[in-house]
Amino acid sequence: LAKTTQPISMDSYEGQEVNITCSHNNIATNDYITWYQQFPSQGPRFIIQGYKTKVTNEVASLFIPADRKSSTLSLPRVSLSDTAVYYCLVVPSATGGSYIPTFGRGTSLIVHP
Amino acid sequence: GAGVSQSPRYKVAKRGQDVALRCDPISGHVSLFWYQQALGQGPEFLTYFQNEAQLDKSGLPSDRFFAERPEGSVSTLKIQRTQQEDSAVYLCASSWPLRTKSYEQYFGPGTRLTVT
Repeated sequence: LAKTTQPISMDSYEGQEVNITCSHNNIATNDYITWYQQFPSQGPRFIIQGYKTKVTNEVASLFIPADRKSSTLSLPRVSLSDTAVYYCLVVPSATGGSYIPTFGRGTSLIVHP
Repeated sequence: GAGVSQSPRYKVAKRGQDVALRCDPISGHVSLFWYQQALGQGPEFLTYFQNEAQLDKSGLPSDRFFAERPEGSVSTLKIQRTQQEDSAVYLCASSWPLRTKSYEQYFGPGTRLTVT
């Protein structure tokens, strides 16, 4: 399964747009990209998923270039409540064998007033 | 409906004790995952069920760890003869089968295990 690499931490200010990029160089043809958010003392929460180009929902946008070797989670106009750890996760759409979700350490985003 | 629930939320065990952690997935979700999360780290995969079948247990750190899901719904993670290095948050997640359109896993709040 594709290994992912993200920045360990990022800082931003309220009202700014935040972009977190994840590298997944050996992503397979059938793999999807998903992102999760985790607050302290809670389980991760699904934010968005995508396969290619751009996906947008009420929370975030996900940009995936044509080669799909990376993806960027975009959070518009962040607030203090967006302070959390963000994980990029590559998921196979079909499994002949086993599937081992790999979260990595994620990106710790701190939003300042 | 209700989300994924886990019990107990907190567990303190003396070294050498056995513990059992319970996960109630969302009704109808056939896939169930267990993870271990150490402080400051991301969730680490332990094991995966599809209905009652345990399809992968390669992440279980030792033979002291055992998971079951006998009727394809509730799952229990058991740790025998707990050690201090077992102290962590244990997360359970459920989802639809992987071949469906959504790859979203729904996580429970976790059980924080402290071994003294």
